[in-house]
Amino acid sequence: EDQVTQSPEALRLQEGESSSLNCSYTVSGLRGLFWYRQDPGKGPEFLFTLYSAGEEKEKERLKATLTKKESFLHITAPKPEDSATYLCAVQVNYGGSQGNLIFGKGTKLSVKP
Amino acid sequence: ETGVTQTPRHLVMGMTNKKSLKCEQHLGHNAMYWYKQSAKKPLELMFVYNFKEQTENNSVPSRFSPECPNSSHLFLHLHTLQPEDSALYLCASSQDSTMNTEAFFGQGTRLTVV
Repeated sequence: EDQVTQSPEALRLQEGESSSLNCSYTVSGLRGLFWYRQDPGKGPEFLFTLYSAGEEKEKERLKATLTKKESFLHITAPKPEDSATYLCAVQVNYGGSQGNLIFGKGTKLSVKP
Repeated sequence: ETGVTQTPRHLVMGMTNKKSLKCEQHLGHNAMYWYKQSAKKPLELMFVYNFKEQTENNSVPSRFSPECPNSSHLFLHLHTLQPEDSALYLCASSQDSTMNTEAFFGQGTRLTVV
């Protein structure tokens, strides 16, 4: 069964304290891995897409990496405005649902000033 | 603003009511989706439409009825819901559901069933 597991469930950081969020996946064929940010009461906001192992993408203080089994979202010198829930999702390359996203439960990040 | 607009933002309905959620996208996409988000659970895919045709019904109870009149609009008709149906309902769109392109989400409708 396709599965996406995110850890930790919650992460509290001090402003400027760098850390990483993990997304591990078990799928038979990966088409793409997506990271989203979700603020309370709002819809997920797209951040990155990664397609193959070794790929990296950056945006401001965020950097996403991908291996054959997991993805990391590295947050460098976070600020309070980075506080949100970060969601990981995968697309598979088989069956009739090739474009559909399978989501993890998310990591809730809190950054204190 | 993601280009995907959902209305209403909040909805409270009784178990015997009938209501509809609306989603509109201005991105020129051909695929639209309904997701359900409940506390402590991953987003659950409900329905997928690609070029106005329903391509996925993820074992959703018949009290939820989707409608996609064109590629820009998607509705979710609700009737005789249960309290456990209370959740954030999210609409999303993407270029094509068979392609590995990112999906863009609306702000969601917070539904409370009393």
